[in-house]
Amino acid sequence: EIVLTQSPGTLSLSPGERATLSCRASQSVSSSYLAWYQQKPGQAPRLLIYGASSRATGIPDRFSGSGSGTDFTLTISRLEPEDFAVYYCQQYGSSPAFGGGTKVEIK
Amino acid sequence: QVQLVESGGGLVKPGGSLRLSCAASGFTFSDYYMSWIRQAPGKGLEWVSYISSSSSYTNYADSVKGRFTISRDNAKNSLYLQMNSLRAEDTAVYYCARMTSSWDFDYWGQGTLVTVSS
Repeated sequence: EIVLTQSPGTLSLSPGERATLSCRASQSVSSSYLAWYQQKPGQAPRLLIYGASSRATGIPDRFSGSGSGTDFTLTISRLEPEDFAVYYCQQYGSSPAFGGGTKVEIK
Repeated sequence: QVQLVESGGGLVKPGGSLRLSCAASGFTFSDYYMSWIRQAPGKGLEWVSYISSSSSYTNYADSVKGRFTISRDNAKNSLYLQMNSLRAEDTAVYYCARMTSSWDFDYWGQGTLVTVSS
C-alpha cells in the first residue's frame, strides 16, 4: 500500500506570493496516476491537476504540477484570495489513496 | 453539465445499516467507473470503494471491506452504497465521484452526511 505524505501541514502566505506544496510517496508512483485537488470549507474537492502535470478543465495556469517517482509538487505561482484552501494529492496504486492535505492560509 | 447528487445520509445507531444513493446526469453514466469517497468531520479524504462501468469489478478500502457494498444501476443512472454494521468511525460526509482513465476523480457530488451515534 502506497502512503502519501504531504508537507507542510499548513502554509501561511500572503496574496501574490508563491506557494509550493509537497507530496511524497512511500514508493514510486506512476506519474500518470498522481492528481491534486483543492477543497474549500463546506465544498466538495475540485480536481486541479492530473497525470502529475496536466491542468484539469478550467483550472488557471497559475496552478502547475511537477515531479516523478516519489516526489511531487503543486505550485501556485501567485496566490489569489480564492486560492486559500486545503490541497490534497492522490495516487492510484492497487487502490486510490489521498495524502493528508496541506492547508494554505492567509498570513 | 455533469451533476452528481447524493442522498440517503442521516443518523443511525452503531451496528445499523444505511443505503446511500447517487443520481448522475449530464454524461453517459454507463461509460464510467464510479467511486465513493468519505471525509470524517475536520479530517482528510478517504477513498471507500469503486465499481467498474459494467459492475463486473469492485474494490474496497480495508476499513469497510465486508461491511459495505457498492452497486450501480446503469438504466437509472444511479450509484449506491449499502453500509452495514456501521461504527462510530464511519461518521463522515460521503461523496460520490466520477473516475477518469487516469484513476482520478473529475466530478464530485455535494456529499451526504452519515452520523453513527447512539
